[in-house]
Amino acid sequence: DTEVTQTPKHLVMGMTNKKSLKCEQHMGHRAMYWYKQKAKKPPELMFVYSYEKLSINESVPSRFSPECPNSSLLNLHLHALQPEDSALYLCASSRSGNEQFFGPGTRLTVL
Amino acid sequence: RKEVEQDPGPFNVPEGATVAFNCTYSNSASQSFFWYRQDCRKEPKLLMSVYSSGNEDGRFTAQLNRASQYISLLIRDSKLSDSATYLCVVNTGTASKLTFGTGTRLQVTL
Repeated sequence: DTEVTQTPKHLVMGMTNKKSLKCEQHMGHRAMYWYKQKAKKPPELMFVYSYEKLSINESVPSRFSPECPNSSLLNLHLHALQPEDSALYLCASSRSGNEQFFGPGTRLTVL
Repeated sequence: RKEVEQDPGPFNVPEGATVAFNCTYSNSASQSFFWYRQDCRKEPKLLMSVYSSGNEDGRFTAQLNRASQYISLLIRDSKLSDSATYLCVVNTGTASKLTFGTGTRLQVTL
């Protein structure tokens, strides 16, 4: 199994909602990542988990809360988002911290 | 200066053409280099890793020049299916953090 899966594919939420994005990989990778990508821009790193511990937080607002329940799963909890948070949210994983493999993303719209 | 800079696109080339993309990086401590391709509204997919002086995979050749802090990607015999955005990506060695260039859009036409 060489893929990263993400659910849901699309999500529409209001500014007062709480929702979660999920990511899963079964490649035995020990590093997992969340990225945010706006249209016509490159992915921007949000968080890095290494061996299930948060190792990098790129000064992301607290309305985004990551969680790594185990080595295969990564969640991103969303609360009180703003319309400007609408974007494609990508999860990635890596064995060594070099080549990263991306999931298909969750396209988020905040109304 | 941006950490990773790429040629501005778009590149419009006919099928069968050879096209080259350039990328420069600012951090001389950078250790690993990659090219990803990203189709419209899809995730980035790893195209090639560039670890030493360069490598080749079929129609694709990547070159690395550490002295000039420069990476290139050459695509020979372009296909319609090569149309995508090509992202130059650099690992500066800081705790698994990759830095992405802004991407170069390639459009291959009949």
